[in-house]
Amino acid sequence: DAGVTQSPTHLIKTRGQQVTLRCSPKSGHDTVSWYQQALGQGPQFIFQYYEEEERQRGNFPDRFSGHQFPNYSSELNVNALLLGDSALYLCASSVERNGGDTQYFGPGTRLTVL
Amino acid sequence: SQQGEEDPQALSIQEGENATMNCSYKTSINNLQWYRQNSGRGLVHLILIRSNEREKHSGRLRVTLDTSKKSSSLLITASRAADTASYFCATDPDSWGKLQFGAGTQVVVTP
Repeated sequence: DAGVTQSPTHLIKTRGQQVTLRCSPKSGHDTVSWYQQALGQGPQFIFQYYEEEERQRGNFPDRFSGHQFPNYSSELNVNALLLGDSALYLCASSVERNGGDTQYFGPGTRLTVL
Repeated sequence: SQQGEEDPQALSIQEGENATMNCSYKTSINNLQWYRQNSGRGLVHLILIRSNEREKHSGRLRVTLDTSKKSSSLLITASRAADTASYFCATDPDSWGKLQFGAGTQVVVTP
C-alpha cells in the first residue's frame, strides 16, 4: 500500500515564476492538506481540500491556490513567486469521517526560489 | 503564530538515556499529536492523545497531557541513534485537520 507521494522532490524557480506541486494521498484517504515548512520552523497550514473543494485555509495570500481531483489527488499552485516562498512543501492525507485524526505526510517538495 | 511551543529547542543525549521534551499550547484542544521528522523530510506520526486522556504509551514512547496547564510531554526511553530527529507537537483545536505545529525539538542521540 503506497503512502502519500509528492512530486517533484526538488524544484528551483526564479522570482515571479509560477509553480505547481502534486500530491497523491494514501489509499482510502479523501482529504488532502498542504503545509509550508520554512527552514528551522514547524509546518504552517496552507489549506485543505475535501470533495474537490477548499474547506479550510490558513493565513496565506491568494497567490497560493489549489485543486483536488476526483481521484482525491491534489495540486498546490503558487503564482508570482517570492524569495520567501522557498520552503519544504508538505502534503498530508487523512480520512474525513475521522475528523481531526491522524494525518499521513508525504516526503515533501523542496522549493528554492532564486 | 504557532499554537504549540516545544521545549527545549535542542537536546543532545547518549544512546540508552531517556529524552524528554515538552509542548505548551494556547487554546483548548480536542487532541494533541506528536510527529517526528528526519533531516527535513516528511513527518512521521508518532502518537495521538485526546483531551480526555492523561497518558498514552506506544513502544518506547510515553506521552502525557495536562489540559489544565495546556501542556504535553513526550518521553523516549532507552534512546537509540535512530531516534535522532526533530520532534513536533501539533494541535487540532477544531477537529477539522488544521494542524498547528510548534517549532520543534531537535534531538541528537550519540552512540
